[in-house]
Amino acid sequence: EAGVVQSPRYKIIEKKQPVAFWCNPISGHNTLYWYLQNLGQGPELLIRYENEEAVDDSQLPKDRFSAERLKGVDSTLKIQPAELGDSAVYLCASSFRLTRDHGELFFGEGSRLTVL
Amino acid sequence: GENVEQHPSTLSVQEGDSAVIKCTYSDSASNYFPWYKQELGKRPQLIIDIRSNVGEKKDQRIAVTLNKTAKHFSLHITETQPEDSAVYFCAANDAGGTSYGKLTFGQGTILTVHP
Repeated sequence: EAGVVQSPRYKIIEKKQPVAFWCNPISGHNTLYWYLQNLGQGPELLIRYENEEAVDDSQLPKDRFSAERLKGVDSTLKIQPAELGDSAVYLCASSFRLTRDHGELFFGEGSRLTVL
Repeated sequence: GENVEQHPSTLSVQEGDSAVIKCTYSDSASNYFPWYKQELGKRPQLIIDIRSNVGEKKDQRIAVTLNKTAKHFSLHITETQPEDSAVYFCAANDAGGTSYGKLTFGQGTILTVHP
C-alpha cells in the first residue's frame, strides 16, 4: 500500500514568488496534517483537517499561507508570497479519524523549500 | 498549549551500549506519548508509543517509560547498532478542546552509534 505522497520533493524559488505543495494521504485516513520542520527542529503543526474541515489552523500564518482539502482527500498548501524565513521542510501526515485515544501519524517524505 | 522539552540534543554511543533520551511535558492532561525516528532525508516514523494508563512499554531493544507525576517520559535503546543512528523525536498530545488531535514535538536528539 502506498504511503503518504507529497510533491514536489524539492523546490527552489526566489522570495516573493508563490509556491504550492501537494499531499495525497493514505487511503481511508480522514485526518490530514501539515507540519513545518525547520532544520534541526521537531515538526510544528500548521493545520489539521478532519475530512474537508480545517479543525485546527491556529498556527497557520494566514497572511501568506493557505490550505485546502477539497473532497476530503488530497490537500494543497500554498505560500504567497514566499519569504526567506519560509525555507524549511513541509511535512504532510495522515491518520485515521482521531478519538480520545490518539493514533499513529503517517508522514510523507516532505517537500523541502529553499527561498533565495 | 503543550510544551515538550527534549534532552540531550546530541548523543554519541559505542555500538552495544545503551542510549537514553528524556522528555518533559507541561500539560498534565496529555495522555499519548509517541517516539518518532527520522533518518537523514527521510520521513519521521513511529517506533514506539505509550499511553498514560501504563508506566512502561517494551518492544525488543526499545522501551519507553512514563512518569505522569513528574511529567516526563524516556526512550531507552539497548544493544545499540549503527542503524539506530538517526534523529529521535518525542511528542505529547493536546488532550483538551479542539486541539486534542495536535501532537507537540520535542526538538529532537541526534543519536550517533559508532561501530
